[in-house]
Amino acid sequence: GENVEQHPSTLSVQEGDSAVIKCTYSDSASNYFPWYKQELGKRPQLIIDIRSNVGEKKDQRIAVTLNKTAKHFSLHITETQPEDSAVYFCATGGGADGLTFGKGTHLIIQP
Amino acid sequence: NAGVTQTPKFRVLKTGQSMTLLCAQDMNHEYMYWYRQDPGMGLRLIHYSVGEGTTAKGEVPDGYNVSRLKKQNFLLGLESAAPSQTSVYFCASSSGQGRWETQYFGPGTRLLVL
Repeated sequence: GENVEQHPSTLSVQEGDSAVIKCTYSDSASNYFPWYKQELGKRPQLIIDIRSNVGEKKDQRIAVTLNKTAKHFSLHITETQPEDSAVYFCATGGGADGLTFGKGTHLIIQP
Repeated sequence: NAGVTQTPKFRVLKTGQSMTLLCAQDMNHEYMYWYRQDPGMGLRLIHYSVGEGTTAKGEVPDGYNVSRLKKQNFLLGLESAAPSQTSVYFCASSSGQGRWETQYFGPGTRLLVL
């Protein structure tokens, strides 16, 4: 089955700096790559996703890049703010088969 | 429009007891999923359903059963709970109209098995 590796497990950045989280996957047939944000005690919420026919997607301070040849994709958060502190999960798959998630990155924004 | 709801929010079981977790969605979604979330493990797919009356196994199905008798509901059953099933359980749904679809998650059920 699909295997998704996510790095780093913990990321601490100064407020206003950028944060980058990277994921690699094993199944070359994967073509849907969402990112979820989960605050403590809450449900995962989709923040951005990318389909395999697109290499990059941006939504305000958040961007995702995809390299299908190398089988990796990344989340970029610019101008980080305290409310960005959370656990972020990458995932692959979609449709009927469900999603395969990475193990998560705990993002800490230092004031 | 409540989206995806789950009951109960929290439950404590003794080893060997049984229980059913209920997931309901009001978005007329075809696909529904059950995941479990353990510390440091991300979310793992237990079972899923692509429509009323259908179910399929995910990555970690052992010890669980599911039923989808109505389109809007997806039930997860534990016949004989074990401490290894202590976890947070999330239900999710998606429309089923295409392969690249957003999954919407419920608020979760925290289960503690003693």
